[in-house]
Amino acid sequence: GAVVSQHPSRVICKSGTSVKIECRSLDFQATTMFWYRQFPKQSLMLMATSNEGSKATYEQGVEKDKFLINHASLTLSTLTVTSAHPEDSSFYICSASGQRGTGELFFGEGSRLTVL
Amino acid sequence: DAKTTQPPSMDCAEGRAANLPCNHSTISGNEYVYWYRQIHSQGPQYIIHGLKNNETNEMASLIITEDRKSSTLILPHATLRDTAVYYCIVDPRSGTYKYIFGTGTRLKVLA
Repeated sequence: GAVVSQHPSRVICKSGTSVKIECRSLDFQATTMFWYRQFPKQSLMLMATSNEGSKATYEQGVEKDKFLINHASLTLSTLTVTSAHPEDSSFYICSASGQRGTGELFFGEGSRLTVL
Repeated sequence: DAKTTQPPSMDCAEGRAANLPCNHSTISGNEYVYWYRQIHSQGPQYIIHGLKNNETNEMASLIITEDRKSSTLILPHATLRDTAVYYCIVDPRSGTYKYIFGTGTRLKVLA
């Protein structure tokens, strides 16, 4: 089946630095990818929709200057957490739709960010 | 807000069938029911989806009521590896795939 890969799976950074997380669709082209954030023992919260070749669409309450999303190709979307702070520590997950018509989303393995 | 409601937790004995209910009383005619599960510290995994007919695959069966206001995911012979949080989501198949996750059901399979 379709595979979505995220990198890195874990990252620890100092407060004030920026961190980039990559999301790749390995065997299919994804014109749209989605970024979620998940805090411990909570559900996934949609942050933004990443569209290839255009600006991302952010959900209400998500700071677009804080969470920079780039979808430069049909197989790669990146999320950059800028000037990270401890409250940005979370589990970040991306997803992409598969071939047209199959309906389901495929999710990456997730990236756990810890900001010290 | 999520369009589905699920019980927060369930236990199931290993080897027995696990039946996970989901209420989606406001579902629209063009919306499918999708089920995913999330094992601890991993991304969600697709299980099954359906529109109005019952569906079965190698992982599970999906039973959708005739009025489509609720559904049940059935894991026929639960194993310890099926311990996870199970999410029921409704979305138009040809839509944006902009899934809104509810709180899901935390299934614990007991040895």
